[in-house]
Amino acid sequence: NAGVTQTPKFQVLKTGQSMTLQCAQDMNHEYMSWYRQDPGMGLRLIHYSVGAGITDQGEVPNGYNVSRSTTEDFPLRLLSAAPSQTSVYFCASKSIPLGTVSYNEQFFGPGTRLTVL
Amino acid sequence: GENVEQHPSTLSVQEGDSAVIKCTYSDSASNYFPWYKQELGKRPQLIIDIRSNVGEKKDQRIAVTLNKTAKHFSLHITETQPEDSAVYFCAALRGGFQKLVFGTGTRLLVSP
Repeated sequence: NAGVTQTPKFQVLKTGQSMTLQCAQDMNHEYMSWYRQDPGMGLRLIHYSVGAGITDQGEVPNGYNVSRSTTEDFPLRLLSAAPSQTSVYFCASKSIPLGTVSYNEQFFGPGTRLTVL
Repeated sequence: GENVEQHPSTLSVQEGDSAVIKCTYSDSASNYFPWYKQELGKRPQLIIDIRSNVGEKKDQRIAVTLNKTAKHFSLHITETQPEDSAVYFCAALRGGFQKLVFGTGTRLLVSP
């Protein structure tokens, strides 16, 4: 298993440009999420999904869109990049057995380092 | 919603000493508390977790304690080694929900 994969690893954008960060997992996990990591601020949840076709907002959703058309993929879209979105982005996934609360381990991808000029 | 505070933000110890990192949470319904270790340039990885029906859990040199009344939990690392140097994050999850809320992290530096 590749686990959770993210592309690209590094990206530089100009203010106003749009782009999509890719995330995929091959563990058949129902739950997927996106975090951003900034110095001194820990990991903040942007958006999450509990299954295909179901998404919801986290703590810091503004400026980002997500969709979940398949169990495997959970792309994060930056609509109009701003310097405040310079950060390291992590995708994560975990299983949620149907009808239960999952205390299972959440696995993280390797991260995407994004710089917006 | 849940809020998790973590202290200290940085911690320097000598090799062989113990290290303690503390977290407090706000939502009394939270019932799952994992700890993640993140080495420089790497992804966070789970090192230990505890559920609210347990007061303490150990795994070799690592232990976590939970005080539900005070709403705080702590990570204890004994006999620290240079390879323990990393950023450690605590987190909390409320049963019935799936969102993990993370603390702001503690940078641990273990000097030889």
